[in-house]
Amino acid sequence: ETGVTQSPTHLIKTRGQQVTLRCSSQSGHNTVSWYQQALGQGPQFIFQYYREEENGRGNFPPRFSGLQFPNYSSELNVNALELDDSALYLCASSLGARIGGGNTEAFFGQGTRLTVV
Amino acid sequence: DQQVKQNSPSLSVQEGRISILNCDYTNSMFDYFLWYKKYPAEGPTFLISISSIKDKNEDGRFTVFLNKSAKHLSLHIVPSQPGDSAVYFCAASERGSQGNLIFGKGTKLSVKP
Repeated sequence: ETGVTQSPTHLIKTRGQQVTLRCSSQSGHNTVSWYQQALGQGPQFIFQYYREEENGRGNFPPRFSGLQFPNYSSELNVNALELDDSALYLCASSLGARIGGGNTEAFFGQGTRLTVV
Repeated sequence: DQQVKQNSPSLSVQEGRISILNCDYTNSMFDYFLWYKKYPAEGPTFLISISSIKDKNEDGRFTVFLNKSAKHLSLHIVPSQPGDSAVYFCAASERGSQGNLIFGKGTKLSVKP
């Protein structure tokens, strides 16, 4: 049990639609990051928020956007869905400003399985 | 261009024996390495990590070895148990970055009773 929960667990959307995925981080964790895991691949970094500001972004287009709220919850929004967006979307939270450094390991939620048809 | 490579998609080991999972990287700016374990329908679970200033870190049955000159790390599980059967991901973080993790594609470990 990591204390990070994501909703929904599964979702089916049509190409061109918009989707919002939600994550509730561990209390006190100021950093949240989102990853996309395609089938047979490792998770790929989408972006990261620290204290409600985006402070890092991977190689994803602007139609992937996010928000982080003061209550340790966050959202991933994807506009104009494409078939290749079908993947497992993972949220990870961490105590410090930098996930992966020192003792600030990232704790992952169970993921949201998005299918675009 | 894959910066973190796990060249073995799968590994099968007998219960009680040692499991060795390997990971290679290309980016010399990586300064922190982590191993995650993932069961189906669950998110990755943190296992063990190592800083680039060390060459070994041990936690119970799990030991990670880092060879910086070879840009290689390995995870040893001794003794292996059937409950260790899962996909293992190697991940790295780059010095000076915001700490986002770069993952390999994973190795599926099967421990047979």
